[in-house]
Amino acid sequence: DAGVTQSPTHLIKTRGQQVTLRCSPKSGHDTVSWYQQALGQGPQFIFQYYEEEERQRGNFPDRFSGHQFPNYSSELNVNALLLGDSALYLCASSPTWGGKADTQYFGPGTRLTVL
Amino acid sequence: GNSVTQMEGPVTLSEEAFLTINCTYTATGYPSLFWYVQYPGEGLQLLLKATKADDKGSNKGFEATYRKETTSFHLEKGSVQVSDSAVYFCALSSGNQFYFGTGTSLTVIP
Repeated sequence: DAGVTQSPTHLIKTRGQQVTLRCSPKSGHDTVSWYQQALGQGPQFIFQYYEEEERQRGNFPDRFSGHQFPNYSSELNVNALLLGDSALYLCASSPTWGGKADTQYFGPGTRLTVL
Repeated sequence: GNSVTQMEGPVTLSEEAFLTINCTYTATGYPSLFWYVQYPGEGLQLLLKATKADDKGSNKGFEATYRKETTSFHLEKGSVQVSDSAVYFCALSSGNQFYFGTGTSLTVIP
C-alpha cells in the first residue's frame, strides 16, 4: 500500500512566478491537508480539502490556493511567488470519520526554492 | 486559540540515556495529541497519539501521557539509541486543523 506521495521532490522558481505542487493521498483517505514548513520550524497549516472543497484554511494569503480531484488527489498552487515562500511543502492525508479528520499521514514533501 | 509549546533544543544525549521532551498545549474543547518524528530529508512520521485525557500513547519504546490537568503531553524514552536522532514535533488536532510545535532536535551519540 503506497503512502502519501508528492511531486516534484524539488523545485526552483523565481520571484513572481507561479507554482503547482501535487499530492496523492494514502489509499482509503479522503481528506488532504497542506502545510508549509520553513527551515527549523514546525509545519504551518495552509488548508484542508474534503469532498473537493476547501474545508478549513490557516492564516495564508489568497496567493495560496488549492484543488481536490474526485480521486482525492490534490494540488497546491502558489501565485506571485515571494522569496519568503521558500520552504518544504508537506501534504498530509487522513480518513474522515463522523465529519472529523483523523490522524494525518505525511508525504515526503516538496522543497521549493524561490530565487 | 490553539497552540503547542515544546522544549527548545537541540538536545544531545549519550546512547542508553533517558529522554524527556516537554510539550504543553492550549486548546479549546478536547483535542487529540500527537508526537511526530522527522528524520533528515524526510517527511513527518506519526510516532504516537492519545485521543483523551489520561490516555497513554506508546510506540518503539517512546511513551507520552495526555495530562489534562497540566495541559501536557511529554515524550519519554527509557534508553535512547543512535537511530533515534531526529527532530520531534508535538502536535494537537482540534476540529479539522492540526497545530504543531516548533520541533526539538535530538542527537544521540554512541
